[in-house]
Amino acid sequence: DVKVTQSSRYLVKRTGEKVFLECVQDMDHENMFWYRQDPGLGLRLIYFSYDVKMKEKGDIPEGYSVSREKKERFSLILESASTNQTSMYLCASSQQGTTDTQYFGPGTRLTVL
Amino acid sequence: SQKIEQNSEALNIQEGKTATLTCNYTNYSPAYLQWYRQDPGRGPVFLLLIRENEKEKRKERLKVTFDTTLKQSLFHITASQPADSATYLCALDAGSYIPTFGRGTSLIVHP
Repeated sequence: DVKVTQSSRYLVKRTGEKVFLECVQDMDHENMFWYRQDPGLGLRLIYFSYDVKMKEKGDIPEGYSVSREKKERFSLILESASTNQTSMYLCASSQQGTTDTQYFGPGTRLTVL
Repeated sequence: SQKIEQNSEALNIQEGKTATLTCNYTNYSPAYLQWYRQDPGRGPVFLLLIRENEKEKRKERLKVTFDTTLKQSLFHITASQPADSATYLCALDAGSYIPTFGRGTSLIVHP
């Protein structure tokens, strides 16, 4: 059974803190993605990666960075968390060279106070 | 600009009826279209994919149609059950392997 896991289901941080969200997939997928989802705005792509050490900006990369040192792991970093980054964060993976069916993790509900 | 539209109002139906959800798009030439289900507080789960040269796809009680002339996909759940209550997202891809998601429509099936 395919699996994408995220390091935390719920996270509460203070403004200005550095925040790490981790995602691991066990399907040997090349592509990995980070989205945020807010009511009324749907899923918005933050960053994605086609391969180890490669990253591409999505639609809303400002305030975020990512790291992919290993194929199975994709980390999202909030260098200095702000209240407007309170959101549901979803990680996904997909296999390269096929249809882009995405497999999502359970999500991390981040609250920045 | 490219746009995907799903009804933002929740669809309320009675158990046993067929639910029909709509996904309209503009300024896209999608190679395929996908439908996902999302439960509250959870990540989306893939349900069905239909390619541009396919008119209809079925899986158990689910049916998807794809009309590239109308620029529309319809998603049907027959014999709906309260357990089908969720938000359903459509996603389009023009061949970049990065889908663009609609905002989803909430389905509520009443017993």
